[in-house]
Amino acid sequence: SAVISQKPSRDICQRGTSLTIQCQVDSQVTMMFWYRQQPGQSLTLIATANQGSEATYESGFVIDKFPISRPNLTFSTLTVSNMSPEDSSIYLCSVDRPRAEAFFGQGTRLTVV
Amino acid sequence: GNSVTQMEGPVTLSEEAFLTINCTYTATGYPSLFWYVQYPGEGLQLLLKATKADDKGSNKGFEATYRKETTSFHLEKGSVQVSDSAVYFCALHSGAGSYQLTFGKGTKLSVIP
Repeated sequence: SAVISQKPSRDICQRGTSLTIQCQVDSQVTMMFWYRQQPGQSLTLIATANQGSEATYESGFVIDKFPISRPNLTFSTLTVSNMSPEDSSIYLCSVDRPRAEAFFGQGTRLTVV
Repeated sequence: GNSVTQMEGPVTLSEEAFLTINCTYTATGYPSLFWYVQYPGEGLQLLLKATKADDKGSNKGFEATYRKETTSFHLEKGSVQVSDSAVYFCALHSGAGSYQLTFGKGTKLSVIP
């Protein structure tokens, strides 16, 4: 299993500002994932973060808007840049392994006003 | 590509009623299948899983059987409680070396006393 600490747990931000979300895992993992869960919706993968290389972004998500860092095997950050109300969502980091279950952080509930 | 189709919610049941939430999937290879639960204000937690055909996952009174012939993984519980009120997500993990989970849209369950 893996224990994932994510912070902040929630924030209210002004439009045009940026927020950096941190994700700390209690063990070394190869891949970390960032998801967005818009209100009443399922999870959408934003990007996959592999230590030592640039993150791989899914269709509809770009590095300028969602820059990701992965400085070591237990930590990653996701920044939501130049925020607008449409960015109000829950952001979740996750780790998993092939054919095994994924483990999720508690999520960051972001409200942009 | 991979996809998961879940029955639309919301679902409202009386306490002690029988629950079924349907889930069907399409996938390449031999996926692992999961049910995740999200309680109000919390992140996702693994509820149960099955990694091969005919496996039955079970936890907290919930069960789901991996049916390859019908590509289904329906969630069932014989007697729901108010504390089961949550959003339930069906997900698959492709067996083709992929780390990425594919989620259904989620089904919101409300159990009333």
